[in-house]
Amino acid sequence: QVQLQQWGAGLLKPSETLSLTCAVYGGSFSTYYWTWIRQTPGKGLEWIGDINDSGSSNINPSLTSRVTISVDTSKNQFSLKMTSVTAADTAVYYCSRGVWQRVPPLSFTSYMDVWGKGTTVTVS
Amino acid sequence: SSELTQDPAVSVALGQTVRITCQGDSLGKYFASWYQQKPGQAPILVLYHKNFRPSGIPDRISASSSGNTASLTVTGVRAEDEAVYYCSSRDSSDNHVIFGGGTRLTVL
Repeated sequence: QVQLQQWGAGLLKPSETLSLTCAVYGGSFSTYYWTWIRQTPGKGLEWIGDINDSGSSNINPSLTSRVTISVDTSKNQFSLKMTSVTAADTAVYYCSRGVWQRVPPLSFTSYMDVWGKGTTVTVS
Repeated sequence: SSELTQDPAVSVALGQTVRITCQGDSLGKYFASWYQQKPGQAPILVLYHKNFRPSGIPDRISASSSGNTASLTVTGVRAEDEAVYYCSSRDSSDNHVIFGGGTRLTVL
């Protein structure tokens, strides 16, 4: 059974860099899209971005200037860095495993089937 | 379009059937996925692809779709179904994942 274990600093000051890492245990690291999602207090889910095992990443257009997602296939880990954080970045951050597949003839499917427990990050 | 629209809240009596809908242009290309989130917990995937359920999700939770609208139906609602349900897909450009705003299901 695949498990995701995430860690990183939970308290940051404004202008500092958020850094989180997620380790994948019990499954293949390839063919998936390793994803970061956040949830601000009392709000919905916001996709931050994802990366595949080749290192190709996609980032939320609203965060591209501040976010980097990287992958270390030798350790089955992926990481999130977000620079210049503000109070608006206070949220629970989740790592997850994403699937993105073509469904012939013309459709696609995309979902996140395994989630980490979340890391609360407070910027104050 | 890069938006998925859900009703903010819906309520249903115990044992009844409820449908939660999700609308967006991307759903003409993508099958929606659905997530259940209970207070203080991480979301869990409950429906994906056409109408697939991960192991452990009861078959009284099902998916359907028509055009640009996807639906999650809970038949014989139980108290344990009370949660916020989010739909998701990639946007029409394929580059980004999008979420609906979530629907809070209250069981009366």
